[in-house]
Amino acid sequence: QLQLQESGPGLVKPSETLSLTCIVSDGSSPYYWVWSRQPPGKGLEWIGSIHHSGNTYYNPSLKSRVTISVGPPKNQFSLRLSSVTAADTAVYYCARLGVPYYYMDVWGKGTTVTVSS
Amino acid sequence: EVVLTQSPGTLSLSPGERATLSCRASQTVSSSYLAWYQQKPGQAPRLLISGASNRATGIPDRFSGSGSGTDFTLTISRLEPEDFAVYYCQQYSSSPRMYTFGQGTKLEIK
Repeated sequence: QLQLQESGPGLVKPSETLSLTCIVSDGSSPYYWVWSRQPPGKGLEWIGSIHHSGNTYYNPSLKSRVTISVGPPKNQFSLRLSSVTAADTAVYYCARLGVPYYYMDVWGKGTTVTVSS
Repeated sequence: EVVLTQSPGTLSLSPGERATLSCRASQTVSSSYLAWYQQKPGQAPRLLISGASNRATGIPDRFSGSGSGTDFTLTISRLEPEDFAVYYCQQYSSSPRMYTFGQGTKLEIK
């Protein structure tokens, strides 16, 4: 059964760059992968997506600050979010896009990131 | 950008009752592009329904999805104690490529 696991610092200072990694238990599959987030007590927000090949597309509202990349190794993909503020405090999830890539069918457990000095 | 509005914000029902959750889109959404998720406290969302009406693997048949155009519905025919959670609808747009979620409906025990 496919599993995804997020990892990274739980605390980031304002104006710095948030960096997270998602490890995929079966990284050989040619799927699209996603980062989403959920601020405390609020709803879900899609951040961006990346294909196994490296093709990316991002939420327009975050595009200027977001970079998503694959590997190395190929069973990992990463999120970088620059110039963070308290508004970026959230649980960050990685997930797989189920074919034909309209929905997220496998999710990681999420990792909490707090932006604070 | 397509905005999804879910109603009601909170739904209070008893086990055994029928739940009807609504998701309305600000513009027409292809049925293929509409999904529903369940989220319990402290857990990641779980896919329930894709393509507006297709249950995901392992989802009980008391969960059903319907709708088209701008109006979509998630129905839970007979509530079990484990069904009390927050439910989100989500849509995909092809131009630009992006995904948006509704604000969620909290289903609570009455």
